Amino acid sequence: QKEVEQDPGPLSVPEGAIVSLNCTYSNSAFQYFMWYRQYSRKGPELLMYTYSSGNKEDGRFTAQVDKSSKYISLFIRDSQPSDSATYLCAMTSQLMTTDSWGKFQFGAGTQVVVTP
Amino acid sequence: DAGVIQSPRHEVTEMGQEVTLRCKPISGHNSLFWYRQTMMRGLELLIYFNNNVPIDDSGMPEDRFSAKMPNASFSTLKIQPSEPRDSAVYFCASSSWGLPVFGPGTRLLVL
Repeated sequence: QKEVEQDPGPLSVPEGAIVSLNCTYSNSAFQYFMWYRQYSRKGPELLMYTYSSGNKEDGRFTAQVDKSSKYISLFIRDSQPSDSATYLCAMTSQLMTTDSWGKFQFGAGTQVVVTP
Repeated sequence: DAGVIQSPRHEVTEMGQEVTLRCKPISGHNSLFWYRQTMMRGLELLIYFNNNVPIDDSGMPEDRFSAKMPNASFSTLKIQPSEPRDSAVYFCASSSWGLPVFGPGTRLLVL
């Protein structure tokens, strides 16, 4: 079983709809949770970053973490065709310090298509 | 800020040939990662450098793969000899004690 599970999609939604993405994980040591967006033939770019449980909002994007359920979500409101991309969740037990680091575990990525 | 720079962007080679991928991290970043992305396996960490020193190379598939970081502004990933199953997109990422910033990737096709 993979440490991080993510449905690969594709997820197709009409413009203006809410996009709901999620990942589940098995390692209870994970504390830092990230969402990356990857456009076709580009590198992943950091979209949202959350520490521990709770919600974080940035414009049209909301990230939620439920550590008790080992479940994280990303919501995109008022979706636009420019949001069409693959969204990867990532998580780690710790960020880098001078003498230790936590390896990032990535989900498989969910392909999102927003149709005009 | 130019971001992470990778070269070449595309590489097509024949099985058995040596392939060298290059990366210039963001200036001031002290950590560098090499990742490989395929449809089947997703994004996999190959090796991680901190202050030019390899810290974790447990993801390097086999002895055919090697990576070096001779200085803070340059790293290479070499595959010798290359095989068709090495076909993938290879990403270099760098960070400054935080979250990786990815380069545009090198798309490798081994025939």
